[in-house]
Amino acid sequence: NAGVMQNPRHLVRRRGQEARLRCSPMKGHSHVYWYRQLPEEGLKFMVYLQKENIIDESGMPKERFSAEFPKEGPSILRIQQVVRGDSAAYFCASSRILESSSGNTIYFGEGSWLTVV
Amino acid sequence: GNSVTQMEGPVTLSEEAFLTINCTYTATGYPSLFWYVQYPGEGLQLLLKATKADDKGSNKGFEATYRKETTSFHLEKGSVQVSDSAVYFCALISGGSNYKLTFGKGTLLTVNP
Repeated sequence: NAGVMQNPRHLVRRRGQEARLRCSPMKGHSHVYWYRQLPEEGLKFMVYLQKENIIDESGMPKERFSAEFPKEGPSILRIQQVVRGDSAAYFCASSRILESSSGNTIYFGEGSWLTVV
Repeated sequence: GNSVTQMEGPVTLSEEAFLTINCTYTATGYPSLFWYVQYPGEGLQLLLKATKADDKGSNKGFEATYRKETTSFHLEKGSVQVSDSAVYFCALISGGSNYKLTFGKGTLLTVNP
């Protein structure tokens, strides 16, 4: 009974390269969320996706960042032309249909640690 | 906007000691409050929650009470074990988005035998 699967767990990129982080939600989940944890900060919401739709991207940086959740395959968080400030842990979460005031139905992955050198 | 402030770590305790990790919040409306835990090498897991004032969430010997008057949700455990060593995150949902969690920075707890 696999949980939310993220890969790679650790990724090192040089400045200017692209980073792609993948997330496979739990079986039966059609809602995916991405959070970022910068050093010395709490997790911050980035984006909420359903299959083939971006529902809320209010936490996404305006440039270089994009996310998708295609009909088939994992969700992808893509960071173009990475800079040192992108170094962080990126957490994916998934859920079925949300109940009111949920938190208990949102399941998190182990995170992907991006280091930009 | 919403924010969560939790006790800075790391916190180091001996087995069977009493644990308190402080958490205070600022929120619009009436938030739901959560504690998440991340054990080494694993994802975040929901530990407990409370959805209204004076509610007490509890799980695995941990407790936290939703205190509206002090805007707090402190995590407590009477007797910690080595297996409780983990990072603990306080979080809330408020403002109409039932999916957008606001997290504190996390507190690393290490319990020594």
